[in-house]
Amino acid sequence: KAGVTQTPRYLIKTRGQQVTLSCSPISGHRSVSWYQQTPGQGLQFLFEYFSETQRNKGNFPGRFSGRQFSNSRSEMNVSTLELGDSALYLCASSRQGGHFTDTQYFGPGTRLTVL
Amino acid sequence: EDQVTQSPEALRLQEGESSSLNCSYTVSGLRGLFWYRQDPGKGPEFLFTLYSAGEEKEKERLKATLTKKESFLHITAPKPEDSATYLCAVQEETSGSRLTFGEGTQLTVNP
Repeated sequence: KAGVTQTPRYLIKTRGQQVTLSCSPISGHRSVSWYQQTPGQGLQFLFEYFSETQRNKGNFPGRFSGRQFSNSRSEMNVSTLELGDSALYLCASSRQGGHFTDTQYFGPGTRLTVL
Repeated sequence: EDQVTQSPEALRLQEGESSSLNCSYTVSGLRGLFWYRQDPGKGPEFLFTLYSAGEEKEKERLKATLTKKESFLHITAPKPEDSATYLCAVQEETSGSRLTFGEGTQLTVNP
């Protein structure tokens, strides 16, 4: 069974630009969560999508947004990039998410560098 | 607010030298505690889920245990391939799927 895939794996952008990252969950998984990982803050929850709806959101500014498609694939967008947005962005999929304690499986991440 | 603290931050072991990693947590209601392993440049790899105090789970040289305030990851006779960062995360009853992670323990096993 294929794992979680994320594209692209690496991105370099400049301040003020916007970026879109893509995530394809494990087949049959309907919940997709996004996390930001930085050396200073560790892994922090961005948001979760289920059935094309945002079900949960972390403490990030509105510049961070996402969406989910009918095939459960998800994208996240960061507008007006700042230097502090440089991070590894991780996508995780699970069967149901939400109040179900099912395992989240992570993709390899997208390394975003903002210059 | 949920808090997860892992110790030590870094640990160096000789091959075969057993040890334990600690994860202390503060949540209003624990739904699950997760252990992941992360290699450099890769996403976290799932190891265990623990649900209630007293629970234990094992996989090869790893054994995870859970009490009401902390979890331990015991590594028995480690090998160099066990070198990685080990992450602990909690899921709280009312926080949906959100995982709150600790900072991780960077384990190095020397041959």
